[in-house]
Amino acid sequence: EAQVTQNPRYLITVTGKKLTVTCSQNMNHEYMSWYRQDPGLGLRQIYYSMNVEVTDKGDVPEGYKVSRKEKRNFPLILESPSPNQTSLYFCASSPRDRGETQYFGPGTRLLVL
Amino acid sequence: SQQGEEDPQALSIQEGENATMNCSYKTSINNLQWYRQNSGRGLVHLILIRSNEREKHSGRLRVTLDTSKKSSSLLITASRAADTASYFCAMNSGYSTLTFGKGTMLLVSP
Repeated sequence: EAQVTQNPRYLITVTGKKLTVTCSQNMNHEYMSWYRQDPGLGLRQIYYSMNVEVTDKGDVPEGYKVSRKEKRNFPLILESPSPNQTSLYFCASSPRDRGETQYFGPGTRLLVL
Repeated sequence: SQQGEEDPQALSIQEGENATMNCSYKTSINNLQWYRQNSGRGLVHLILIRSNEREKHSGRLRVTLDTSKKSSSLLITASRAADTASYFCAMNSGYSTLTFGKGTMLLVSP
């Protein structure tokens, strides 16, 4: 089944403890991105990647890192999480670029205490 | 920067009625997309309409685009309880990021 998977789905952590949220797609898509969704603010893009080893900042990149060593994987790294990063995170992919249909993962709900 | 605004923020209707949601944006676009989100889950793509198109249909969904007014509408006909969800428009403006609106929450009561 063609899909985008994220792990973990739920995560509770404490301020400053490094964490990684994994994202993987099995559709051979070139474009991948991360969004966060907050009440009243909608979805905002954190980082995106046009292809392997090519990443760029979205609207709200502060406090996050990403890497794209393989086409299928696009992990989101929080080096030192803070409470304002408590949010619902979505990974998405599309065949070539941001203008196309985005395929979303199921989401990761993060709580930073 | 590109921002999308959906209207209304929330809509409550009865099964069988039609639901109309509107989206307005500020700058020119290449395409506009509509997505659906069931409570806390991932977004699911519904329709993409390009800037040179005025109307598209998909099953019970009808999307219109008026680039002169910088607005789009999503019509769901003969709504069902299963249509209860949040609906988002997303604007693609070339090299900028894909920008999502804040969504319309639709409640369809049996």
